[in-house]
Amino acid sequence: DVKVTQSSRYLVKRTGEKVFLECVQDMDHENMFWYRQDPGLGLRLIYFSYDVKMKEKGDIPEGYSVSREKKERFSLILESASTNQTSMYLCASSHRGNTIYFGEGSWLTVV
Amino acid sequence: QKEVEQNSGPLSVPEGAIASLNCTYSDRVSQSFFWYRQYSGKSPELIMSIYSNGDKEDGRFTAQLNKASQYVSLLIRDSQPSDSATYLCAVNLYAGSARQLTFGSGTQLTVLP
Repeated sequence: DVKVTQSSRYLVKRTGEKVFLECVQDMDHENMFWYRQDPGLGLRLIYFSYDVKMKEKGDIPEGYSVSREKKERFSLILESASTNQTSMYLCASSHRGNTIYFGEGSWLTVV
Repeated sequence: QKEVEQNSGPLSVPEGAIASLNCTYSDRVSQSFFWYRQYSGKSPELIMSIYSNGDKEDGRFTAQLNKASQYVSLLIRDSQPSDSATYLCAVNLYAGSARQLTFGSGTQLTVLP
């Protein structure tokens, strides 16, 4: 079974804090993704990566950065958290051109 | 802007009925189409993929694809209360790119006992 693990499931952070969301996959997938999901807005792509140290912006990269130092790990960084970044964050991975598998999600509240 | 559009619903059907979920997409060159199911508070899980025009059946689920009309649908036969969820249509609008899928905003389905 494909396993995409998001270590932090529920977080509460203060405005201005730096936030790290970690994601690990165990299927040797080349591609990894970070989405956020908000009511009425659906799934929106923040960043994706197709190889170690490679990254590309998605539709809403502002306020976020990512890091992929190892193939299995893809981190999402909020440099200075703001209340409008309160959301559910979903990590996903896939082999080239194949099905995307999602982690369980990280619920972030910024107060 | 490349898009994937779905009726947001909510769609309500009685138990045992056929639920029909629809999705249109903007790019004629798209080749891969997926339906994900998402229960409240959970992450999306894949239920069907389809790549060729026509119908593809898997148990109570049938995906239908019409590339000429840029339309993909999901039929759920003998709907059960456990099918109540949000259904996300996903399309590969960026063929050849690792970016892969663009998701619709989802249709919320409620199956009434």
